[in-house]
Amino acid sequence: AQSVAQPEDQVNVAEGNPLTVKCTYSVSGNPYLFWYVQYPNRGLQFLLKYITGDNLVKGSYGFEAEFNKSQTSFHLKKPSALVSDSALYFCAVRPTGANNLFFGTGTRLTVIP
Amino acid sequence: GAGVSQSPSNKVTEKGKDVELRCDPISGHTALYWYRQSLGQGLEFLIYFQGNSAPDKSGLPSDRFSAERTGGSVSTLTIQRTQQEDSAVYLCASSLAYQETYEQYFGPGTRLTVT
Repeated sequence: AQSVAQPEDQVNVAEGNPLTVKCTYSVSGNPYLFWYVQYPNRGLQFLLKYITGDNLVKGSYGFEAEFNKSQTSFHLKKPSALVSDSALYFCAVRPTGANNLFFGTGTRLTVIP
Repeated sequence: GAGVSQSPSNKVTEKGKDVELRCDPISGHTALYWYRQSLGQGLEFLIYFQGNSAPDKSGLPSDRFSAERTGGSVSTLTIQRTQQEDSAVYLCASSLAYQETYEQYFGPGTRLTVT
């Protein structure tokens, strides 16, 4: 069965500090990996994706994510957090041949001024 | 350009009533998806349309749920005889094509409350 785990429901970080939002997955084959962000009363916004190649991918708003095949992880990172980064973050995977994304349950990030 | 739009933004209905939720995908996007986001849970896939191909209905939770896509564009998700457990945010997404590498663009969702 396909599954995506975001082990932390809530992450708090001080403004200016680095942030990490964790994601691990269990899927068959070589998945494609995505991060989305959801602001209050808004739909999900695409941040970045890993398809192939360099394990470190860069995306919108200064976010990046590191793909680790051996640990089946795809953690989201940012060197310096902003208060405006406070939102709900979803990790998603799309297994090869699948028609849909499988999502984690989300991590609420709060950046404290 | 315009993103994915959904209507209504909020819908309150009585248990047992039917509801229709509408999605307008991004122009030119051939793939369209419906997901459901329940409180405290991640997003649950419901149904997928790609061009004129038969839809993938594998995520629909019961036969009370159905969806159609007319003319390869607008889609309507219908829930018959609504139940309280149907209360959720229903999200529509579209992507340029069916390939797994393409990101999906999401609408703002329809919040459905069944009383």
